[in-house]
Amino acid sequence: KAGVTQTPRYLIKTRGQQVTLSCSPISGHRSVSWYQQTPGQGLQFLFEYFSETQRNKGNFPGRFSGRQFSNSRSEMNVSTLELGDSALYLCASSSLVGQDYEQYFGPGTRLTVT
Amino acid sequence: QKEVEQDPGPLSVPEGAIVSLNCTYSNSAFQYFMWYRQYSRKGPELLMYTYSSGNKEDGRFTAQVDKSSKYISLFIRDSQPSDSATYLCAMRLENFNKFYFGSGTKLNVKP
Repeated sequence: KAGVTQTPRYLIKTRGQQVTLSCSPISGHRSVSWYQQTPGQGLQFLFEYFSETQRNKGNFPGRFSGRQFSNSRSEMNVSTLELGDSALYLCASSSLVGQDYEQYFGPGTRLTVT
Repeated sequence: QKEVEQDPGPLSVPEGAIVSLNCTYSNSAFQYFMWYRQYSRKGPELLMYTYSSGNKEDGRFTAQVDKSSKYISLFIRDSQPSDSATYLCAMRLENFNKFYFGSGTKLNVKP
């Protein structure tokens, strides 16, 4: 079974621009979560989508948004980029096994804002 | 105060040593506990998943949860240089697919 894939793997953008990141979950997984990872803050939860609906949300400004398509693929958008948005953005897909959500991460998209 | 606290290390041990990694948490409602391993420039990889208090063993890895003390541990026996990575603890509430992560402990196993 193929793992979680994310594109692009690396991205360089200029402050003020916007960016869209893509995530394809493991086949059969309906939940996709997004995280931001920085050296200072660690892994921080952005949001979770399930069946095309945002189900959980972290404490990030509205510049961070996402969506999920009917095939469970998800995109994350960051508008008006700031220098502090430079980070590794990780996508994770989950399936509910009994009462357990088993979550698997993709390799991440490394975003650099200059 | 962060909801999940983890010593960032780095932790350096000789090959073959027993490694102990720990996290504390403040929210007594956390029910599910996980350990992830992250190699440089890779995404986190799920290592262990536990629900109740007590121990869970998988090969050289043992996960321990003490809900009364709000404390979880990961033990690595016979550590190998290939175990050198950052180890992240994570936890979540019942019925919520939202994970709270520790900041990660960087482990270096010297040959």
